[in-house]
Amino acid sequence: TQLLEQSPQFLSIQEGENLTVYCNSSSVFSSLQWYRQEPGEGPVLLVTVVTGGEVKKLKRLTFQFGDARKDSSLHITAAQPGDTGLYLCARRDGYQGGKLIFGQGTELSVKP
Amino acid sequence: GAVVSQHPSRVICKSGTSVKIECRSLDFQATTMFWYRQFPKQSLMLMATSNEGSKATYEQGVEKDKFLINHASLTLSTLTVTSAHPEDSSFYICSARKAGGDYGYTFGSGTRLTVV
Repeated sequence: TQLLEQSPQFLSIQEGENLTVYCNSSSVFSSLQWYRQEPGEGPVLLVTVVTGGEVKKLKRLTFQFGDARKDSSLHITAAQPGDTGLYLCARRDGYQGGKLIFGQGTELSVKP
Repeated sequence: GAVVSQHPSRVICKSGTSVKIECRSLDFQATTMFWYRQFPKQSLMLMATSNEGSKATYEQGVEKDKFLINHASLTLSTLTVTSAHPEDSSFYICSARKAGGDYGYTFGSGTRLTVV
């Protein structure tokens, strides 16, 4: 199984600060997804990136897919307490039934 | 939109008993469903892939006789934790992929299992 390395694993910041979460692999992705999960709930899809170099924005969240399609980043501008949660990157394993493999996750805490 | 319903949301059972968790796709057909396990502050670990009308495919290290998966229809998969022990206590989450869909994975809201 090709690993997805996600960093940092834990992040505690003050409201208004910026942050970046990274997702890396030694292998090329056909596509990559970012999810956000709140305690006691299932993950919710934020975005799917497909094309190398692609940048997608979702309000204060900016997602980037590396040119070589081996890495991705999530940048949050002016973080709010409502952004608190577990952020997960995931890739689809096209050779094994399309199962979704997750990175280790980044636990984000934004303090008011 | 695609909605996946997971039931129950919480369950407490005694050691040695079995617990069944249901995962239903409410407004689409799902030929494939996935079962994950999640420990506190950790990511989702894939347990098995559930295929409608055929046997589930289990990930390495997952006991197929302990975690029984049945995908009897295009809208329902069940996970039964047999002879549960306290170490089976965890958050179990299912996911469904819409038939013919490429990126569309929808997750249930999870089941918190506590074995006492």
